[in-house]
Amino acid sequence: EAGVAQSPRYKIIEKRQSVAFWCNPISGHATLYWYQQILGQGPKLLIQFQNNGVVDDSQLPKDRFSAERLKGVDSTLKIQPAKLEDSAVYLCASSFSADLTDTQYFGPGTRLTVL
Amino acid sequence: KQEVTQIPAALSVPEGENLVLNCSFTDSAIYNLQWFRQDPGKGLTSLLLIQSSQREQTSGRLNASLDKSSGRSTLYIAASQPGDSATYLCAVPLIKAAGNKLTFGGGTRVLVKP
Repeated sequence: EAGVAQSPRYKIIEKRQSVAFWCNPISGHATLYWYQQILGQGPKLLIQFQNNGVVDDSQLPKDRFSAERLKGVDSTLKIQPAKLEDSAVYLCASSFSADLTDTQYFGPGTRLTVL
Repeated sequence: KQEVTQIPAALSVPEGENLVLNCSFTDSAIYNLQWFRQDPGKGLTSLLLIQSSQREQTSGRLNASLDKSSGRSTLYIAASQPGDSATYLCAVPLIKAAGNKLTFGGGTRVLVKP
C-alpha cells in the first residue's frame, strides 16, 4: 500500500515570497490533515479536510495561509507572503475517516526555510 | 484546553539499557493516547495506541501504560538498540472537538549509543 506522498521535500525561499506544498493521501482516505512542526516542537494541526470540505481550520493563519482539496483527493497548502516564522516542516496526514479510532498516516513532510 | 508535555526533551543511554519516556496531559477526559516515532527527515510512524479503557498496550519490545486519573502515560522500550534512536512523540485527540484532532507533546529525542 502506497503511503502519503508529499512534494517538494525541501524548499528555500525569501520572506514575502509565496510557496505551495502538495499532498497525495492514501487511496480511499477521506480525511486529510496539514500540520506545522517547528523545530523542537510537536506538530500543530493547521487544517483538517473531510473529503473536499473543511472540518477545522481554526489554527490556520488565514491572512497568509490557504489550503484546498478540490476533488477530495490531493491537497495543496499555500503560504503568501511567507514570514521568517513560517520556517518549519509541513506534514500531511490522512486517515480512513475522522473517527477517533482511525489511525493517521503521515507523509515525510516538506521542510520550508524562509530567509 | 488540552496540553501535552514530554519530559525530558532529550535522552541518551548506552545500548542495552531500558528506555522510559514520559508523557503528561492536563485533561484526563481522553478517548485514547498514541505514541509516534519520528526519524530525521521523515514523517511520523504510529507505534502504539492505547484506548482510554486500557491500562497498557504492548508491541514487541515496546510497552505503553496509561493512567488517566493522574494524566500520565509512559512508553517503555526494553533492551534499547542504536536503531531506536529517534524522536518519540505522544498525542491525544480532542474529544470535545469535531474530527480526530491530535494534540502533540514536544517529543523526547532519544540517542542510543553503541
